[in-house]
Amino acid sequence: EVQLVESGGGLIQPGGSLRLSCAASGFTVSSNYMTWVRQAPGKGLECVSVIHSDGYTYHADSVKGRFTISRDNSKNTLYLQMNNLRAEDTAMYYCGRAPSASYGSDYWGQGTLVTVSS
Amino acid sequence: DIQMTQSPSTLSASVGDRVTITCRASQSISSWLAWYQQKSGKAPRLLIYKASTLEGGVPSRFSGSGSGTEFTLTISSLQPDDSATYYCQQYKSYLGLTFGGGTKVEI
Repeated sequence: EVQLVESGGGLIQPGGSLRLSCAASGFTVSSNYMTWVRQAPGKGLECVSVIHSDGYTYHADSVKGRFTISRDNSKNTLYLQMNNLRAEDTAMYYCGRAPSASYGSDYWGQGTLVTVSS
Repeated sequence: DIQMTQSPSTLSASVGDRVTITCRASQSISSWLAWYQQKSGKAPRLLIYKASTLEGGVPSRFSGSGSGTEFTLTISSLQPDDSATYYCQQYKSYLGLTFGGGTKVEI
């Protein structure tokens, strides 16, 4: 059974850092396209980072230079390193997987909440 | 980045109604479009990918059409369980994935 479980969210002061994790089971992270999508309270969905099966990464302009997506193949886990956090980064963060570039994200985690506030 | 514009932002309809949601891309995305359903407090659920392919387990009352820059999601006979917010997403080249602003469907 495919499962994604996010962790690492919490309350953090502006300028701080957090690392989100997305532990996968039932499939191999490195063989899929993986995304981090966030949703600010009461707002829509925003894709912040993508990692392709070949390792290529993409980050939205809103987080470029501050966030880094990566994966640990030995742990079958996806990460999002978030530095220099701002109030506008406050959101629920979801990880998702797509089996190929022809697909949307067919499995999602339950989300982890990041709150940036002093 | 490719911009996605969804309309309407809110839709009120009755059980059994036929409902259509429109999504427009700022440039051609061929058929690289997905539709998601999101219920309050939950993760999105993939309904349709490649503009018109129904994801496994999704009821057949959902359908998608379009290519290039104009796309539609249709619910042929609205059911109480369809109360949710619906998002389109473009995934051309799997770079800069962008979502539409969402359509809240009220029953």
